[in-house]
Amino acid sequence: KQEVTQIPAALSVPEGENLVLNCSFTDSAIYNLQWFRQDPGKGLTSLLLIQSSQREQTSGRLNASLDKSSGRSTLYIAASQPGDSATYLCAVNTGANSKLTFGKGITLSVRP
Amino acid sequence: SAVISQKPSRDICQRGTSLTIQCQVDSQVTMMFWYRQQPGQSLTLIATANQGSEATYESGFVIDKFPISRPNLTFSTLTVSNMSPEDSSIYLCSVEAPTGSEAFFGQGTRLTVV
Repeated sequence: KQEVTQIPAALSVPEGENLVLNCSFTDSAIYNLQWFRQDPGKGLTSLLLIQSSQREQTSGRLNASLDKSSGRSTLYIAASQPGDSATYLCAVNTGANSKLTFGKGITLSVRP
Repeated sequence: SAVISQKPSRDICQRGTSLTIQCQVDSQVTMMFWYRQQPGQSLTLIATANQGSEATYESGFVIDKFPISRPNLTFSTLTVSNMSPEDSSIYLCSVEAPTGSEAFFGQGTRLTVV
């Protein structure tokens, strides 16, 4: 059974800092991995999708990497801003009917 | 990408009643997914809804409690039946992009049962 872990559960950083959010998964036989952002009480916004054959994806200040063999992904946020404050969720697609297995998320607070 | 409209956005319901949540997608999709997010927890898949067939439920979820309809390729409903305070959660519907890889989510329904 696939398990996804995100540690720490919460992170507080000053504005402008570059930061890395970690995600680990137990079964390396994945189809793809996706990072989401969730604002309090809201739905999920897709940030980046990495296919199993890819090593990284970039969108603006965000960069996500994938090391399938070690069961790890990182989300790098450059020059963090208060507007980046949210919960960041990592989800793994094992390809079995496209079901996603989610981590519990990392709640990020960027202090002005 | 896919745009998903989910209604209602929030509701407060009495225990013992039922609530039906609607999910409308702006494009035709094969599979739609319903997730639950309990307070302070991550998302858990309730069921997968395919058009023209019965929904497939995950372990711990049953059709009597969470009946699902999928009348066409752009619409689905999830009903939370005979609600109790333990059903208080955010319920989200999700689809895959037409390319079959990226997942998109609705804005969620925040349900409080009193």
